[in-house]
This record gives sequence, structure tokens and C-alpha cells, in this order.
Amino acid sequence: GQNIDQPTEMTATEGAIVQINCTYQTSGFNGLFWYQQHAGEAPTFLSYNVLDGLEEKGRFSSFLSRSKGYSYLLLKELQMKDSASYLCAAMDSNYQLIWGAGTKLIIKP
Amino acid sequence: EAGVAQSPRYKIIEKRQSVAFWCNPISGHATLYWYQQILGQGPKLLIQFQNNGVVDDSQLPKDRFSAERLKGVDSTLKIQPAKLEDSAVYLCASSSGTSGADTQYFGPGTRLTVL
Repeated sequence: GQNIDQPTEMTATEGAIVQINCTYQTSGFNGLFWYQQHAGEAPTFLSYNVLDGLEEKGRFSSFLSRSKGYSYLLLKELQMKDSASYLCAAMDSNYQLIWGAGTKLIIKP
Repeated sequence: EAGVAQSPRYKIIEKRQSVAFWCNPISGHATLYWYQQILGQGPKLLIQFQNNGVVDDSQLPKDRFSAERLKGVDSTLKIQPAKLEDSAVYLCASSSGTSGADTQYFGPGTRLTVL
């Protein structure tokens, strides 16, 4: 079957760095997406990886290892506004997104 | 560029009543998605349109849910009759449809409460 695993909740301190991991199993693979979702709001696109390696975009970076079925989202210089859920979604061979349940990130001052 | 528009933002109904949600995608986007998101879970795809044709509706409970995109632009999702377990946020998303791995852009969602 198709499956996405990510931690349910993480806590970090303002100004620190946090890494949110995601493992996936899909029928075929056409890339890995990360979305941010603030409470009561819609998911907003953060990153897309289809090749192995690290993609850096400001304070946020995303890494992919296709051979390991593994990705992580790295958030640097954490700010209070980064408190949100982070959704990992893998695209299968039919270009359908398989979504994780999300990781709730709590930032403490 | 205007984003994905949805209405209403909130809806409270009693079980067995009917309800409809509306979505207007980003201008020029050929692909439109309806998702159901239950609190604490990831989005679940209900139906995907490419222009006005259905690409995937395998997870749509067709005995009570229906959706249409008649002119290939905006779309409506209907539930009739509603059940308690339909309480969720209904998200509409769109993508350009120019390649398979397009980024999906989401609307603000409709929060449905069924009493």
C-alpha cells in the first residue's frame, strides 16, 4: 500500500533549527512536496523535490533521498510565525498526491 | 494574481440536510481538486477534474456526494444528505495542468459542521 509517515508533533525554540522527517512508500514516484498549514487555514506550498539532494529556499530547506524513501524539511532561525503543521506529500506514478497527517510544530520563546 | 476562491467559509447544518460548496480556481488552471480534511489528518482527495472531465473520483462517496465543473472553470461540490462524519474542512485546489507534477494551490476552505 501507499503510506507517508511523519512525526505527529515537535517542539522547538525561537531562533533554533528544527528538522521534520518524512518517509514514504508509493507506487512509483514523481516527487515530494512540503506544505505549511496554519491552524484554520489552507495549506501553502513550500517546496518540491524530485531529484536527490538539498534544495534551499531562504530559511527553509528540503532534502530528498529516493533510494531511502526519505525526505526532511529543515527550518532555520525559527520564528513564532513558523508555528504550524507541516504536511509531507509524495506524488505517485499516477501523479496523485499521497498525504501525510502532518507534523504540528510548536515554537516556544 | 488572484488565488483560489471558495465559499462559504463556514457552514453549519443538521444531519440529513443538503449543502453545496463553490470553488473558483486560479485563472487558467485546467486541473481542479476537491479534498476533505478531517481535523488532525492530511487532505483526502475526493475528486479531480481536468478541464470539465473527471480524472479521479475513486474516493468520492457517490451515494451522497456529487461534484461538477460544467464549463471547465468553477466547480461545485454537493453533499445530500449529510452525515455527522462529514464534518470537516473541504478544500479546493487548482494546478496549471501543463505537466503531471504541477504544484497545487489551495483555497481557504469551507469548514462544515454537521449537527
